[in-house]
Amino acid sequence: QKEVEQDPGPLSVPEGAIVSLNCTYSNSAFQYFMWYRQYSRKGPELLMYTYSSGNKEDGRFTAQVDKSSKYISLFIRDSQPSDSATYLCAMSAAYFGSGTKLNVKP
Amino acid sequence: SQTIHQWPATLVQPVGSPLSLECTVEGTSNPNLYWYRQAAGRGLQLLFYSVGIGQISSEVPQNLSASRPQDRQFILSSKKLLLSDSGFYLCAWNSRQQETMSYTFGSGTRLTVV
Repeated sequence: QKEVEQDPGPLSVPEGAIVSLNCTYSNSAFQYFMWYRQYSRKGPELLMYTYSSGNKEDGRFTAQVDKSSKYISLFIRDSQPSDSATYLCAMSAAYFGSGTKLNVKP
Repeated sequence: SQTIHQWPATLVQPVGSPLSLECTVEGTSNPNLYWYRQAAGRGLQLLFYSVGIGQISSEVPQNLSASRPQDRQFILSSKKLLLSDSGFYLCAWNSRQQETMSYTFGSGTRLTVV
């Protein structure tokens, strides 16, 4: 079993839809949970991070951590074509998900 | 503000040739530095990390090496490239003083070995 599992997609949604991106992990010692957005041929950029369990909201983005289930989510409300990118979850330097490619259609 | 520079942006090299990719960070001191490779459609594979000058930890044994000759400079090298070394190479840094542990990435080098 991989330490971090992420559905590769691609995920295609219409503009304005609510998007749910998810990762599961196996190591219960992970405490920091990060979401990165990567546009094509660019380096990843940090979107959000959370520490331990709970929710964190930043504009249209909400990060959710359920440590009991070892499951993290990123929700995007009112998705825009500019949100089209690959989204990677991460728990530490060595543990990144493989990324979910999101396409938001106008 | 802190910035990270990585070059070149693209590189095409023949099999068996040497490689040197450079990464520098500005606006911070004593950063942790990282080299990653991202193969097409795959996640980030941590190759090397460094917590200080001359201190290099290798995560995956392979045809590559790393060096940190200065506090804010990190170099990825190879003596003889293989076809399998092709990929998107990313440098990243974070601060040991920050609690977030989040990483800031450079813009990447796309390496094609032919």
